Amino acid sequence: EAQVTQNPRYLITVTGKKLTVTCSQNMNHEYMSWYRQDPGLGLRQIYYSMNVEVTDKGDVPEGYKVSRKEKRNFPLILESPSPNQTSLYFCASSSGLAGVYEQYFGPGTRLTVT
Amino acid sequence: RKEVEQDPGPFNVPEGATVAFNCTYSNSASQSFFWYRQDCRKEPKLLMSVYSSGNEDGRFTAQLNRASQYISLLIRDSKLSDSATYLCAVNPRDGSGNTGKLIFGQGTTLQVKP
Repeated sequence: EAQVTQNPRYLITVTGKKLTVTCSQNMNHEYMSWYRQDPGLGLRQIYYSMNVEVTDKGDVPEGYKVSRKEKRNFPLILESPSPNQTSLYFCASSSGLAGVYEQYFGPGTRLTVT
Repeated sequence: RKEVEQDPGPFNVPEGATVAFNCTYSNSASQSFFWYRQDCRKEPKLLMSVYSSGNEDGRFTAQLNRASQYISLLIRDSKLSDSATYLCAVNPRDGSGNTGKLIFGQGTTLQVKP
């Protein structure tokens, strides 16, 4: 089954404790992206990657890191989480074939930083 | 002005009603357009891609108006199960070409009542 998976689905952590949210897709998609969703602010892009070893900042990259060492994986790293990073996070991927960028989303990770 | 704007609603309609949502975008060079459906803090799911000639899928019709820079979604014969938030997404083209990025509107909430 074609899908995007994220882990963990729920995470409660404390300020400053490094964490990684994993994202994996099995569709051989080149493009992957991370979003956060907050009430009243909608979906905002954090980082994206157009291919292996090619990443770039989205609209709200501060406090986050990413890497793309393999095509299927795109982990999101919070080196020193803070309470303002409490949010719902989604990973997404798309093939970019024929210049059409339909994105398919993972199930989301609900992060709480206390 | 936001790059992609939607009326957040909520739109409260009776079963069987026809309802239409609009979404405006500011980047006239935008390439691809999509409607997503999102249920209660779950992941957005692709509902329809929007083509220049319009696109119809059962009770759902999507239209693109490039001159006025908006896309629309029409839902006929609304069902209770259509209650959700509908997000529009636009793939802009910037100075570096098409990066595959999607910019999302904040979503329009639809509540279909018996």
